Amino acid sequence: GAVVSQHPSWVICKSGTSVKIECRSLDFQATTMFWYRQFPKQSLMLMATSNEGSKATYEQGVEKDKFLINHASLTLSTLTVTSAHPEDSSFYICSARQDANYGYTFGSGTRLTVV
Amino acid sequence: EDKVVQSPLSLVVHEGDTVTLNCSYEVTNFRSLLWYKQEKKAPTFLFMLTSSGIEKKSGRLSSILDKKELFSILNITATQTGDSAIYLCAVGGQAGTALIFGKGTTLSVSS
Repeated sequence: GAVVSQHPSWVICKSGTSVKIECRSLDFQATTMFWYRQFPKQSLMLMATSNEGSKATYEQGVEKDKFLINHASLTLSTLTVTSAHPEDSSFYICSARQDANYGYTFGSGTRLTVV
Repeated sequence: EDKVVQSPLSLVVHEGDTVTLNCSYEVTNFRSLLWYKQEKKAPTFLFMLTSSGIEKKSGRLSSILDKKELFSILNITATQTGDSAIYLCAVGGQAGTALIFGKGTTLSVSS
C-alpha cells in the first residue's frame, strides 16, 4: 500500500529559529500533498495544500510567510516553520493520496515544541 | 460551508460493550467518507466509503454510509482496551482536495 514518510518525528527548537519538516511519498507519486496541524485533544486542521511545481494554497488564517511550503518533486513536500514561537508548538501531519481508489495516507507526524 | 460533525465527542465503555460512533456531513461534491483511528501519532486508515448501504467490515469494526441522509456510523463490537483511541471521520470532496475532518470521538474502554 501507499506509504508516506515524515521526518523528523519530533523536534525541539528555540524561539526565533526555523524548522523544516519533510514529507515523502515512498512508493507513489503525489502531485498534491496536504499539511495539517493538530492541537492537543483537537481534530486535524488543514493548513495548506501543496502542489508539485506550483505555489501552495493556504487555508484562511494560515500565514504563508510563516509556514513555507515547497513541493519541488513528485515525491517530496517540505514545510518550514520560520521564526518559530511557542504558540507554533503543535503536531504537524502531512497526507497524500495515491489515486482515487485509495484512502488518504498520512505521514507519522512531527511533534514540534518551541521553547 | 463544508462541515463534518461527529458524535458523541467522548465515550467511556467497559470491555465487551458495543459502541456506535456517528458522523454527519454537509460537503459539496462529495466523493468519499473515511474513518481513521488515532492513538498517539498519526491517524491510521480504517475504512473508505463511497456507496450507500454497503457495509464494510474489518474484524470487530464495521461501517456503513447513507448518502441520502448524509451520515455514516462506525460500529465496534466486543470492545477491548486496545480500542481506546480518537476516531476521526473525514470527508473527501473533489479530486485533489483535502479531507475535511470532524472533531473526533474519544473512546475509552475500561477493563
